[in-house]
Amino acid sequence: NAGVIQTPRHKVTGKGQEATLWCEPISGHSAVFWYRQTIVQGLEFLTYFRNQAPIDDSGMPKERFSAQMPNQSHSTLKIQSTQPQDSAVYLCASSSLGGLEQYFGPGTRLTVL
Amino acid sequence: QQKVQQSPESLIVPEGGMASLNCTSSDRNVDYFWWYRQHSGKSPKMLMSIFSNGEKEEGRFTVHLNKASLHTSLHIRDSQPSDSALYLCAASRTGGYKVVFGSGTRLLVSP
Repeated sequence: NAGVIQTPRHKVTGKGQEATLWCEPISGHSAVFWYRQTIVQGLEFLTYFRNQAPIDDSGMPKERFSAQMPNQSHSTLKIQSTQPQDSAVYLCASSSLGGLEQYFGPGTRLTVL
Repeated sequence: QQKVQQSPESLIVPEGGMASLNCTSSDRNVDYFWWYRQHSGKSPKMLMSIFSNGEKEEGRFTVHLNKASLHTSLHIRDSQPSDSALYLCAASRTGGYKVVFGSGTRLLVSP
């Protein structure tokens, strides 16, 4: 079991560019979560899918952030018109059921110049 | 909106000492609590979970839960420098709800 896979591990974008982050959950897990972590804000919940359906996106900045889960083997987080304040480590986690132990991927460190 | 409060924000204990971390949820419908540990530059990993009132011990780590007060605590005895990390408390309801994380306690164990 390779665990949760996230790509790329590091991404640098210029202000105003688009960034797409990828997550492959653990095979058989039905829940996928996206978080953003910074020193100042800590671990912030962004969005949550269960059986590929979006369940809760209350943490997503509405205008520029979007997430999808087109199939059970991957999810994407897209940030349009990136801003320096979007710089953070974006973590994806999966669990066998929502609300149970989550397994985190290694994260994608996004730097917006 | 459910919040999970952790205290203290940071903690320094000598090697071999006892570290005590606290966590309280504001959601009366919470049923599950977890403690995650995140070493610097790594992603969080689940350390211990507790779902029932009382105490649970695993090696040097002990977790307490008081469901009436929605309070859980993590105690690390004989602390080691390798225990230095960010400790995150998380809580959720039953039925597939999202897990809410606290802001963490940063533990430093000094040799």
